Amino acid sequence: EIVMTQSPATLSVSPGERVIFSCRASHGVNNNLAWYQQKPGQAPRLLISGVSTRATGVPARFSGSGSGTEFTLTISSLQSEDFAVYYCQQYNNWPRTFGQGTKVEIK
Amino acid sequence: EVHLAESGGDLAQPGGSLRLSCAPSGFSFSSYAMSWVRQAPGKGLEWVSSIGGSGGSKYNADSVTGRFTISRDNSKNMLYLQMTSLRAEDTAVYYCAKHGDPYGYDHFDSWGQGTLVTVSS
Repeated sequence: EIVMTQSPATLSVSPGERVIFSCRASHGVNNNLAWYQQKPGQAPRLLISGVSTRATGVPARFSGSGSGTEFTLTISSLQSEDFAVYYCQQYNNWPRTFGQGTKVEIK
Repeated sequence: EVHLAESGGDLAQPGGSLRLSCAPSGFSFSSYAMSWVRQAPGKGLEWVSSIGGSGGSKYNADSVTGRFTISRDNSKNMLYLQMTSLRAEDTAVYYCAKHGDPYGYDHFDSWGQGTLVTVSS
């Protein structure tokens, strides 16, 4: 099983700040890496697939990068609606696995 | 617009059974693999089970193998998760999720609102 490790667990951020999320895979996942956003009481929402491809309707302030086992999600300027939990997920191997999530809270 | 509507979540006793359903709309259902993903209260996301567009290929997490069965009826546009031998640790919100590319088991591009399964005596 590929273990996905996200860091940090929680980020305290002020609106307008740049935020960088880290995701590390225990084995290489090629480009089969996605990011999701989940707000309280809501279903997850796809943000990024294939490491860096934004999903339809996702603002340009969200960007993904990385390769192999190290990946990042960047929000260039955090908006109030971005306070949520962010998960990475690999779909290169079975079982499909998620990171434990990074929560972004208001500083 | 893609819409996924789960139903069937309920309170069940340990050792009991439940069947979850997912009614999709807004896309060619038979062309896409589908999955179930769950989230225990206050916890992260856990992939449970996937099924190919034709229903011929299925994959399960080790934690549910032998107890949960994923299936689909393309003639009725329905996805199911038959859950047996339920345990307390199966308590979670269960999401129906659509895969992004036709015939692939890639990222999840659409999610339902979830249905709550509670296993308790």
